[in-house]
Amino acid sequence: QKEVEQNSGPLSVPEGAIASLNCTYSDRGSQSFFWYRQYSGKSPELIMFIYSNGDKEDGRFTAQLNKASQYVSLLIRDSQPSDSATYLCAVNFPRGTDKLIFGTGTRLQVFP
Amino acid sequence: DTGVSQNPRHKITKRGQNVTFRCDPISEHNRLYWYRQTLGQGPEFLTYFQNEAQLEKSRLLSDRFSAERPKGSFSTLEIQRTEQGDSAMYLCASSLTPRGETQYFGPGTRLLVL
Repeated sequence: QKEVEQNSGPLSVPEGAIASLNCTYSDRGSQSFFWYRQYSGKSPELIMFIYSNGDKEDGRFTAQLNKASQYVSLLIRDSQPSDSATYLCAVNFPRGTDKLIFGTGTRLQVFP
Repeated sequence: DTGVSQNPRHKITKRGQNVTFRCDPISEHNRLYWYRQTLGQGPEFLTYFQNEAQLEKSRLLSDRFSAERPKGSFSTLEIQRTEQGDSAMYLCASSLTPRGETQYFGPGTRLLVL
């Protein structure tokens, strides 16, 4: 079992719709969860982080965390073509260095 | 510019050559990480520094790889005797928070080994 799993996609949504991106993780000791956006050929850009169960909203983005189910998601409201990118879920490795363990990413396509 | 910077941005080399990459973290960030990313994969952890101390190395980091952060500021990653399998994007990230959790990435160095 991979430590962090994401559906590779592509996830295609029309402009203005809600895009829902999902991620599961295997280590129950993980306490910090991150969503990064990565445009083709570019480096990851931090969008949001979440530490507590529940929802965290920032503009059009909402991160949701359910530690009991080991599940974290990212909702993007009013999706725009500029949101088209790969979204990487990252989970901290709980023992020692706090290095991040990344999923393979979900490619999101927002069409006009 | 207060972000993480990396140089060079691109490097093409022949198999067997040595290459060195540099990372300048965000000012005063005490933690610095190196990751490697290949096409279609997420970044994979390579090594980590807190100030000048290298505290962890991934088993992905063979003995051909070495990293330094001599004064606790910039870091270098050297690959000796490069192989075609070393072709990847090498990413540097830095953080300051007490648990080193929020990591900010530089633009990366894309390496192509011919």
